[in-house]
Amino acid sequence: SQTIHQWPATLVQPVGSPLSLECTVEGTSNPNLYWYRQAAGRGLQLLFYSVGIGQISSEVPQNLSASRPQDRQFILSSKKLLLSDSGFYLCAWSVETGWDNQPQHFGDGTRLSIL
Amino acid sequence: AQSVTQPDIHITVSEGASLELRCNYSYGATPYLFWYVQSPGQGLQLLLKYFSGDTLVQGIKGFEAEFKRSQSSFNLRKPSVHWSDAAEYFCAVSGGYQKVTFGTGTKLQVIP
Repeated sequence: SQTIHQWPATLVQPVGSPLSLECTVEGTSNPNLYWYRQAAGRGLQLLFYSVGIGQISSEVPQNLSASRPQDRQFILSSKKLLLSDSGFYLCAWSVETGWDNQPQHFGDGTRLSIL
Repeated sequence: AQSVTQPDIHITVSEGASLELRCNYSYGATPYLFWYVQSPGQGLQLLLKYFSGDTLVQGIKGFEAEFKRSQSSFNLRKPSVHWSDAAEYFCAVSGGYQKVTFGTGTKLQVIP
C-alpha cells in the first residue's frame, strides 16, 4: 500500500532563516505531488505541484520554492522566511493517469511557526 | 474557473442525530467531487468521491453524499453521528488537469 511521510511535524523558525520541508511517498511510482498551505478559515491553498522529476509548477508567487530531486521526493524550501509564511503545510500525492479524476492523499502536515 | 462553497463554517449536532453538510460547486462540465475529513493537527483523509454514474455515493465511516446536478450540490450525510466524527470537513472539486479546488471547510462539533 502507498504511504506518504512528511517531516518535521512541527517547526519553529526565526524570521529570515531558511526552510526545508520534506515529503516522500512510498508504494507507488511517478506520482503527482503537491504542496498546500492551510490557514485557519481559508481552506487549502495550492502552492506547487509536480508531475515528474524536476517538473514544478507554481500556483502562487511567493517566498517559497519547491523541488523534486527524486521520483517520490518533494521538498519545500525558502531562503528567508517571513512572518507570513507561518501556517500548516500539507504534502499530497495522486496517481498520474492523465485525467483529473484521481483523489489526492495527504500527509500529516507540518506546523510552521515563524518568530 | 471552478469553485466550491461550503456555506456552514461551524455546525453542532447531538450524538446520534443525523448530519448533513452542504457543498455547492461551480464548474462548466461534469465535475469530479470529493469529501475529505481532517482531525486537528492531521492531514486530510478521503471520505468519498464522485466521478459519474449513481448520484448517491457511499464512503468510509458510514458517510454518503448525493450529487445533484440541477442544484450544483454535493452534500455529505450521515444518519447517526458519533462523537469521533467531530472534525473539519472539506468538499473539493477537480475540473482541470491537476486543479483541485477545496472549500473553506465546515467544523463539526458533536455534543453528548
